[in-house]
Amino acid sequence: DTAVSQTPKYLVTQMGNDKSIKCEQNLGHDTMYWYKQDSKKFLKIMFSYNNKELIINETVPNRFSPKSPDKAHLNLHINSLELGDSAVYFCASSPSGTSERDTQYFGPGTRLTVL
Amino acid sequence: AQSVTQPDIHITVSEGASLELRCNYSYGATPYLFWYVQSPGQGLQLLLKYFSGDTLVQGIKGFEAEFKRSQSSFNLRKPSVHWSDAAEYFCAGPSSGNTPLVFGKGTRLSVIA
Repeated sequence: DTAVSQTPKYLVTQMGNDKSIKCEQNLGHDTMYWYKQDSKKFLKIMFSYNNKELIINETVPNRFSPKSPDKAHLNLHINSLELGDSAVYFCASSPSGTSERDTQYFGPGTRLTVL
Repeated sequence: AQSVTQPDIHITVSEGASLELRCNYSYGATPYLFWYVQSPGQGLQLLLKYFSGDTLVQGIKGFEAEFKRSQSSFNLRKPSVHWSDAAEYFCAGPSSGNTPLVFGKGTRLSVIA
């Protein structure tokens, strides 16, 4: 069984479009994250939710809006896509809060290409 | 600022040779440190982690890492590399900000016959 799953795996779209990426974890974890990995493989956290509540919101354009309908799901909606949004987006989850001791479990990633 | 640094962007080793990937940290207290591996087209998988106690940590896939306070390092090692080990390796540790974890920039490992 997949622990952290993301859909879609690949997403190709035109500039200006709006798109969503979905993430689900079946680990019973309280905290979920979105990361962006750029073309140089640099991983940067974007958001974190703990029990459906936003707890980390890094410097991200407000075109990006996370939504957590329940603690097992964290979706990412992106408005007015730009070329610079092309990247791999990873969802992750961790057991409790945002403790630095918590191991984070990653999904397989969604490769977004904006044309 | 607290951080982890991976000095090597790309390393190439021969199959069967030993491997050491470097990670340096800058924290005042003993940090929690992790090594993750990202195989091509995949997400990140935890290899091992260090919190306290024994400074030599065993992980999955035959990897180990040693925490050395005197050198501010947490290097990842494997005695004999397999072709399937070709991947991107990330060291991670606590952040100085309000995020729990910060990742190094990664080291890409290539394995040649």
